[in-house]
Amino acid sequence: AQSVTQLGSHVSVSEGALVLLRCNYSSSVPPYLFWYVQYPNQGLQLLLKYTTGATLVKGINGFEAEFKKSETSFHLTKPSAHMSDAAEYFCAVSVSSYGKLTFGQGTILTVHP
Amino acid sequence: KAGVTQTPRYLIKTRGQQVTLSCSPISGHRSVSWYQQTPGQGLQFLFEYFSETQRNKGNFPGRFSGRQFSNSRSEMNVSTLELGDSALYLCASSLATSGGLNEQFFGPGTRLTVL
Repeated sequence: AQSVTQLGSHVSVSEGALVLLRCNYSSSVPPYLFWYVQYPNQGLQLLLKYTTGATLVKGINGFEAEFKKSETSFHLTKPSAHMSDAAEYFCAVSVSSYGKLTFGQGTILTVHP
Repeated sequence: KAGVTQTPRYLIKTRGQQVTLSCSPISGHRSVSWYQQTPGQGLQFLFEYFSETQRNKGNFPGRFSGRQFSNSRSEMNVSTLELGDSALYLCASSLATSGGLNEQFFGPGTRLTVL
């Protein structure tokens, strides 16, 4: 069975600072990996996804993530935080081309002016 | 292209009642998945439907059921509601092509409150 661990339920950064949200996964087969963002009272929006190939994945809004198989990690980064990035972020894993996504517990990102 | 739509957006029920939630997927998407989101348990997979058949199921009691219609629209039903069923219920659709990526697009959710 697959699982996802997000280190840090809350992360606080200053506007313009680096954003780093950590995600480690466990999977018995090569996984598909995703990062989603959720704004208050809204559904989940896909930020980026990893399948196979290039290990550095670029997503929307300036976010990117690097797949490191040896570390079973898929950390999300953004060079310069913006106030509009304040939201909850979820890392997810899937081991098939359909069906269940397994989510981490989420990380709430706060951006200070 | 319109996104995933869910109705109603908010619902208040009392214990023991039943409820039906509706989800319309993105046009052309054949798979619909349902998730429950609560502060304590986070996001948990309920079930997935493809071509009117349940293809995957999570670890929820039989009170939770669903179905999918020929136009890919899906409904989720919860019978004999309990206080713990209060949650945001999210629907997600995907193309579900064979060998493709399990990229799911989420609707805004239905907020269910059980009193």
